[in-house]
Amino acid sequence: QQQVKQSPQSLIVQKGGISIINCAYENTAFDYFPWYQQFPGKGPALLIAIRPDVSEKKEGRFTISFNKSAKQFSLHIMDSQPGDSATYFCAASANYGGSQGNLIFGKGTKLSVKP
Amino acid sequence: ETGVTQSPTHLIKTRGQQVTLRCSSQSGHNTVSWYQQALGQGPQFIFQYYREEENGRGNFPPRFSGLQFPNYSSELNVNALELDDSALYLCASSFLAANEQFFGPGTRLTVL
Repeated sequence: QQQVKQSPQSLIVQKGGISIINCAYENTAFDYFPWYQQFPGKGPALLIAIRPDVSEKKEGRFTISFNKSAKQFSLHIMDSQPGDSATYFCAASANYGGSQGNLIFGKGTKLSVKP
Repeated sequence: ETGVTQSPTHLIKTRGQQVTLRCSSQSGHNTVSWYQQALGQGPQFIFQYYREEENGRGNFPPRFSGLQFPNYSSELNVNALELDDSALYLCASSFLAANEQFFGPGTRLTVL
């Protein structure tokens, strides 16, 4: 069954702290794992993405850690800021013979960063 | 470079009516995917269009249909609207060979 499980559902972090959101997947055919950030009333914005050939990818304050054997990946937000307060979605997709597959999303994590 | 645009922003319809939502893909992108996002949930894949043909479909009934035009823009049509169709409808564009999908701002559909 194609499913992506995301936790926690909500997260409160103090300004300057580290926010960690976790996702687990079942389909071993998945080969692309993006994270999206969504503000209220807006569409999801691509934040950072990783493929299974690397275990970690860092872009600024955002880091994805990927554990292929455990079928888990996580988003770390370093030095969290109030402006990071949003809903974060993990997703996964598989590429079949060069044809892009659809994204399977987790249920989202609502992050609140307190000043 | 122009991003993904969607119209209208908001729409209110009555149960049983039909609705058409529109999407213009990002410059250089030839693939459009549509997603439904219910309140408090992650987006769910409806279908994808490439070269004006449906290129994959999620678990949505046939009353959800679409079109893609030669300029890669797309329409989502929903017939016989039901109350549960109330959601944010998102369009995402991409270049087929890549996985990166870029979303538009969405259309908020309310069915009364």
